[in-house]
Amino acid sequence: KAGVTQTPRYLIKTRGQQVTLSCSPISGHRSVSWYQQTPGQGLQFLFEYFSETQRNKGNFPGRFSGRQFSNSRSEMNVSTLELGDSALYLCASSGGQDRNEKLFFGSGTQLSVL
Amino acid sequence: AQTVTQSQPEMSVQEAETVTLSCTYDTSESDYYLFWYKQPPSRQMILVIRQEAYKQQNATENRFSVNFQKAAKSFSLKISDSQLGDAAMYFCACYFGPRSNDYKLSFGAGTTVTVRA
Repeated sequence: KAGVTQTPRYLIKTRGQQVTLSCSPISGHRSVSWYQQTPGQGLQFLFEYFSETQRNKGNFPGRFSGRQFSNSRSEMNVSTLELGDSALYLCASSGGQDRNEKLFFGSGTQLSVL
Repeated sequence: AQTVTQSQPEMSVQEAETVTLSCTYDTSESDYYLFWYKQPPSRQMILVIRQEAYKQQNATENRFSVNFQKAAKSFSLKISDSQLGDAAMYFCACYFGPRSNDYKLSFGAGTTVTVRA
C-alpha cells in the first residue's frame, strides 16, 4: 500500500509569489490534515479536510488556503509569500472517523522563500 | 488555553539503556487523546504510541511505554533497551477538542534523542 505522497519535496520561491503544494493520502483515507513546521514555532495545525469539506482550521491568515478533491487528494495554496512562510509543510491522512486513529504523515515539502 | 509542553529540548542515552521523555499538557476537557510521534532525519513523522484519556491503563508498544497521570496532566514516554535507530526528535501531541470531529492536533516543541553507541 502506497504511503502519503507529497509533491514537490523542495520548493524555492520569492516574496510575493504564490505556491501550491500537493498531498495524495493513503488509498481509502478520507481525512487530510496539513501542518507547518518551523524551528521557531514548531508544528502548527493549518487545516483538515474530510470528504471535500474543511472540518477544522488553525490560526493562519487567509493567504493560506486548501481544498480536497473527490479522490481525497488535497492541495494547499499560499498566496503573496512572505519570508516567514519558509517551513516544512507536512500532510497527514487517516480514515477521519476516530480520533484514536493512526495519522500517516508524508515526508513533507520544504518551502524556502527568498 | 490548551497547550502541550515538552521541557527537555535534548536527551542522550547509552545504547541498551532506558530514557524517559516528559510531556505535560493543559486542558479543561475530560475526553482527549494523547500521542507520541517520532521524526527521524527523513522528516516523516511516525506514530510511536497512543493513549485515550478515559483509559487508566498505560499504553505499551514493544520497547515503548507511557506513564499517563491524568490528574497531573502528565504523559511521559519511556524508551527501554534504546537502539541506534531510536535516535530522532520525539513529539508529544494531543487532540483536545470535545467534538468527535475535531482533528486539530496540538504538538509540543519536541525532544531530540541521541543514542550513544
